[in-house]
Amino acid sequence: QVQLVQSGAEVKKPGASVKVSCKASGYIFTGYYMHWVRQAPGQGLEWMGWINPNSGGTNYAQKFQGRVIMTRDMSISTAYMELSRLRSDDTAVYYCARAVGTRSPYFDYWGQGTLVTVSS
Amino acid sequence: SYELTQPLSVSVALGQTARITCGGNNIGSKNVHWYQQKPGQAPVLVIYRDSNRPSGIPERFSGSNSGNTATLTISRAQAGDEADYYCQVWDSSTEVFGTGTKVTVL
Repeated sequence: QVQLVQSGAEVKKPGASVKVSCKASGYIFTGYYMHWVRQAPGQGLEWMGWINPNSGGTNYAQKFQGRVIMTRDMSISTAYMELSRLRSDDTAVYYCARAVGTRSPYFDYWGQGTLVTVSS
Repeated sequence: SYELTQPLSVSVALGQTARITCGGNNIGSKNVHWYQQKPGQAPVLVIYRDSNRPSGIPERFSGSNSGNTATLTISRAQAGDEADYYCQVWDSSTEVFGTGTKVTVL
């Protein structure tokens, strides 16, 4: 069965970086784009970008360009999202989600989420 | 940038029908997907491409999309349907989520 298992919660200081991992299993990792979505406490879903695990190509939401890097390691079927220059308003649960389709995709499987807390 | 507007909350009596709207400019020309999110859990896909149900999603969940409004309908609402619901579309190579609707089953 398809599973996306994310790394554990993180606490970071303002200005630091965080790297969240998302290990995929149960399907061909390179066959589906991986997207990242975050959710601040009590807020809605916010799309951050995607990575094509096959080519390594990426597309980031304008809001995060310059601060986010998405990578992957095909040998272990794992995608990563690194966010730098963290601020308090980056405190959120970060999700990876498998996308079906490349134009107008939908997300059929999600990771369990990783809470990132930014606090001095 | 493209915006999707949802009502903040919708209440429905047990066993009745709830309708959750998602408004956007000419949204009828786009594919709309819907997610259910319960407290402390990751979102779950309930409708994709306007009106298709993934396997395992009850037939009570249905969707439609036309003009400037997409709608998620929950028939015969159950207590377990209490959750936040989000619509999602793709616009200009960007994924956009709606503002979210909290559904309360009375």
